[in-house]
Amino acid sequence: AQKITQTQPGMFVQEKEAVTLDCTYDTSDPSYGLFWYKQPSSGEMIFLIYQGSYDQQNATEGRYSLNFQKARKSANLVISASQLGDSAMYFCAMSPGGTSYGKLTFGQGTILTVHP
Amino acid sequence: DTGVSQNPRHKITKRGQNVTFRCDPISEHNRLYWYRQTLGQGPEFLTYFQNEAQLEKSRLLSDRFSAERPKGSFSTLEIQRTEQGDSAMYLCASSLGGANTEAFFGQGTRLTVV
Repeated sequence: AQKITQTQPGMFVQEKEAVTLDCTYDTSDPSYGLFWYKQPSSGEMIFLIYQGSYDQQNATEGRYSLNFQKARKSANLVISASQLGDSAMYFCAMSPGGTSYGKLTFGQGTILTVHP
Repeated sequence: DTGVSQNPRHKITKRGQNVTFRCDPISEHNRLYWYRQTLGQGPEFLTYFQNEAQLEKSRLLSDRFSAERPKGSFSTLEIQRTEQGDSAMYLCASSLGGANTEAFFGQGTRLTVV
């Protein structure tokens, strides 16, 4: 079974500052994928970034980067230069490898509030 | 550019009634997923299809729930004899098969059982 833990119910950051959202995971699968999604108040889940378990380098997508520490089983999201529009719920998720790829297990989420 | 479309966006029903939701995935995506999200929680996996085949169902999917994807395109999720505990957001997602492909989500159907 796979498990995702997000220990920060809420985070606050000043506009233009960087923020790190924590995520730890547990799995016995040798191959897996790690994802971060953003869910604004409108409800839609927006894909942000992906990291494969065998990827050697940390993933980056614009202002988003994933700090992947495999030995610690952590996959923290770093948002640089926060913007007011970044205020939303953020979910860390993982999927197994093989034929079940894409079936996501989500954490409980972190609410990010960006202050002007 | 059409994303994943879900209908209806909102549904209010009386306890004991049946409801059906529809999901239209991104056209070239052969995988389709259903999730349920209750307030303040992350989405929970319900079931997924590869083309028209339903490959996996969660234990959350009781016998009152049924999902279909008859021609490998759109999918429906039916809940029979609704209960107040079924009140939630029902999210549909689609993806290409294989590794390194993210799932794209629809805006969800919010179900309220009164």
